[in-house]
Amino acid sequence: GQNIDQPTEMTATEGAIVQINCTYQTSGFNGLFWYQQHAGEAPTFLSYNVLDGLEEKGRFSSFLSRSKGYSYLLLKELQMKDSASYLCAVNRDDKIIFGKGTRLHILP
Amino acid sequence: DADVTQTPRNRITKTGKRIMLECSQTKGHDRMYWYRQDPGLGLRLIYYSFDVKDINKGEISDGYSVSRQAQAKFSLSLESAIPNQTALYFCATGDQNAYEQYFGPGTRLTVT
Repeated sequence: GQNIDQPTEMTATEGAIVQINCTYQTSGFNGLFWYQQHAGEAPTFLSYNVLDGLEEKGRFSSFLSRSKGYSYLLLKELQMKDSASYLCAVNRDDKIIFGKGTRLHILP
Repeated sequence: DADVTQTPRNRITKTGKRIMLECSQTKGHDRMYWYRQDPGLGLRLIYYSFDVKDINKGEISDGYSVSRQAQAKFSLSLESAIPNQTALYFCATGDQNAYEQYFGPGTRLTVT
């Protein structure tokens, strides 16, 4: 996915916190999305970051550093229903390009 | 009713056949996208359109064509299907101001 890198899989425990990192090439960068996708379903929008910094939305937060080509999604108070794939996507010259996704497993 | 619909939801076809996947949306968005998703490869952009007169190739357009019949409709065609086009296909829409994409439920296509 045009050099958008994120870990393939992660495992965390119910009630804990997990951080999913994403790095990308900065050329033509306009903004960065995070999506959640449950198996067999369509992706659903979580966040869109344009400016540097942290944006919080309930249990989920997303961070962006434009100069470093780096973002992370932070999930707090993990619940079993958070077991899903998390997709990082870059708005590059108005094309939205996805990374390969991170499959998150939640253990009870 | 769903905001973004795709038909068919599942399709099995043979190598060499022509097939069309259709997408309709009621969100009033100008931007529409077609993606395919393969295990381990994530979502890859096939074509996208910013209005009825605008069609653009994405990352993997070879073997595909599209038609933007109206603001609400964006079709993807496989002129001569081949087995490596077996995948899950998603249509998405977007508003240039909100920057949020809304995805359809997907079409699972199998080419034998």
